[in-house]
Amino acid sequence: GAVVSQHPSRVICKSGTSVKIECRSLDFQATTMFWYRQFPKQSLMLMATSNEGSKATYEQGVEKDKFLINHASLTLSTLTVTSAHPEDSSFYICSARRIPGGTDTQYFGPGTRLTVL
Amino acid sequence: DAKTTQPNSMESNEEEPVHLPCNHSTISGTDYIHWYRQLPSQGPEYVIHGLTSNVNNRMASLAIAEDRKSSTLILHRATLRDAAVYYCILNNFGNEKLTFGTGTRLTIIP
Repeated sequence: GAVVSQHPSRVICKSGTSVKIECRSLDFQATTMFWYRQFPKQSLMLMATSNEGSKATYEQGVEKDKFLINHASLTLSTLTVTSAHPEDSSFYICSARRIPGGTDTQYFGPGTRLTVL
Repeated sequence: DAKTTQPNSMESNEEEPVHLPCNHSTISGTDYIHWYRQLPSQGPEYVIHGLTSNVNNRMASLAIAEDRKSSTLILHRATLRDAAVYYCILNNFGNEKLTFGTGTRLTIIP
């Protein structure tokens, strides 16, 4: 099966610092990756769609300057939370799909739990 | 994407079949029905998907109503490891995004 990894699995940082989260597709090339955020007891909310070699597409209400996304290769996308604040504390999950368009399934990473003090 | 409706929670006994319902009365002809599940503190995991015909795989079966306005995910023999939140999602062909609803929290009773 397709494997997606995330690093780090959890991070604690001080308010005002920036945190980078990596998402890698380990055994396939992902033309498209997605970033989700999940608050406790809530469902996943899509933040942005990341396509290799192009700018990410952000969902309404998501600040692109605060959540920087880079998809530099077919196996790596990064999400940087800039100037993190306690309200950014959440479970961040990435996913990847192998085939653009169509109905190919998405393969999800294990998630990164961010705690901002 | 069209909306789905699922019960908030369900319970089932271990080693018994589980039928998880999903209503999607506004489904369009090109919407695929996807099921994902999320175990505690993990990312979601693909379970199964289908368009019109019933589908089977090693994890589960998907029964789709003839009018496609509802579907049922069937776990044939639940184990404790099947305790998770199950999401029923409609995905239109060509639309890469998945929109997660609140899902059904399945509890397995030993």
